Amino acid sequence: NAGVTQTPKFRVLKTGQSMTLLCAQDMNHEYMYWYRQDPGMGLRLIHYSVGEGTTAKGEVPDGYNVSRLKKQNFLLGLESAAPSQTSVYFCASSYSPYRWAQETYEQYFGPGTRLTVT
Amino acid sequence: GDSVTQMEGPVTLSEEAFLTINCTYTATGYPSLFWYVQYPGEGLQLLLKATKADDKGSNKGFEATYRKETTSFHLEKGSVQVSDSAVYFCALIYGNNRLAFGKGNQVVVIP
Repeated sequence: NAGVTQTPKFRVLKTGQSMTLLCAQDMNHEYMYWYRQDPGMGLRLIHYSVGEGTTAKGEVPDGYNVSRLKKQNFLLGLESAAPSQTSVYFCASSYSPYRWAQETYEQYFGPGTRLTVT
Repeated sequence: GDSVTQMEGPVTLSEEAFLTINCTYTATGYPSLFWYVQYPGEGLQLLLKATKADDKGSNKGFEATYRKETTSFHLEKGSVQVSDSAVYFCALIYGNNRLAFGKGNQVVVIP
């Protein structure tokens, strides 16, 4: 199993450009998440999805959109990139806590995408 | 809302020294608690977890005990190695299996 993969690994954008980050998982997980990691800030949740066709806002959703058209993929879009979106982006996935009536499940993380907006 | 606080600043220590990283949480109820580790250039990996009060999570020589009375989940290792150099994040679970992370601590182990 590849686990959680992210494409691309690195990207440089100019202010105002758009792009899409792709996350894919092969573990049949129901839940998927997008985080950003900034120095001294830890990881902050941008958006998440509890199943195919569903999305929800996290802690810092402004300036981002997401889509979950297939269970295994979760896309993060930047419509008009800004320098404040320079960050490392991580995708994660997990089983639903309702799958086997267990309270919590481990999140599995991808290797990250380093995005620079100039 | 639910949150996690980690001690400020990087931690630098010599090989075979004792490591402690402090973590406290604020939450309604008693959420599951986690320590994740991030090695250079990689994503996060689960290091250990505890799902209820007084539980002790352990892995790779690291330990942390869920203390309800002090709302803490401090990470400890008795004898660190250079290979333990990484960033360590404390986290808790809240609604819809979401994680709230602390800011992380860079640990540098010097040979």
